[in-house]
Amino acid sequence: GAGVSQSPRYKVAKRGQDVALRCDPISGHVSLFWYQQALGQGPEFLTYFQNEAQLDKSGLPSDRFFAERPEGSVSTLKIQRTQQEDSAVYLCASSFSDRSHEQYFGPGTRLTVT
Amino acid sequence: AQRVTQPEKLLSVFKGAPVELKCNYSYSGSPELFWYVQYSRQRLQLLLRHISRESIKGFTADLNKGETSFHLKKPFAQEEDSAMYYCALLTGANNLFFGTGTRLTVIP
Repeated sequence: GAGVSQSPRYKVAKRGQDVALRCDPISGHVSLFWYQQALGQGPEFLTYFQNEAQLDKSGLPSDRFFAERPEGSVSTLKIQRTQQEDSAVYLCASSFSDRSHEQYFGPGTRLTVT
Repeated sequence: AQRVTQPEKLLSVFKGAPVELKCNYSYSGSPELFWYVQYSRQRLQLLLRHISRESIKGFTADLNKGETSFHLKKPFAQEEDSAMYYCALLTGANNLFFGTGTRLTVIP
């Protein structure tokens, strides 16, 4: 079956531009997570949705980062006024339930801010 | 605050040799730990979790609360084991806290 998909796979943005990254979780998965992975580092948690509710956004690094999942399926991570330090791979993961601890990861979106 | 430490960024072993990837953690609650693996040009995927106490692809990991460790072991490394391995801790907030990863290379 289809796994988690993310688009675009690669994005180059000029500093100051806004970007939107999309995540399509596995159908029926309740929980959705966004992670940021800088070069040479492990993934770092950004935010978590249970259905359409954003239950935890403690990992968002600044108010330039915003995530939504309005219908409880597709999610969008938006970064406003991108900075060079935003360059990273952004990973989306979904899991079947709120206490199902196996998270299924997407391929990631590599964002490069020039 | 939680912490996951993987002291080796790079680890090389010969095919057929034993391999151990180290992971130490710090967490005030009851820990739930995982190993995730990323093969070349593939996405991050779950390898094993401590609560299931299973062996996957010949790998095992035992949670040692006294030493706060969750080392990943395999008695005989195979070339297809070459990958990036991440140790991760499930936080009370239901998200994963990852270590920085160890790149394992199995030399033929």
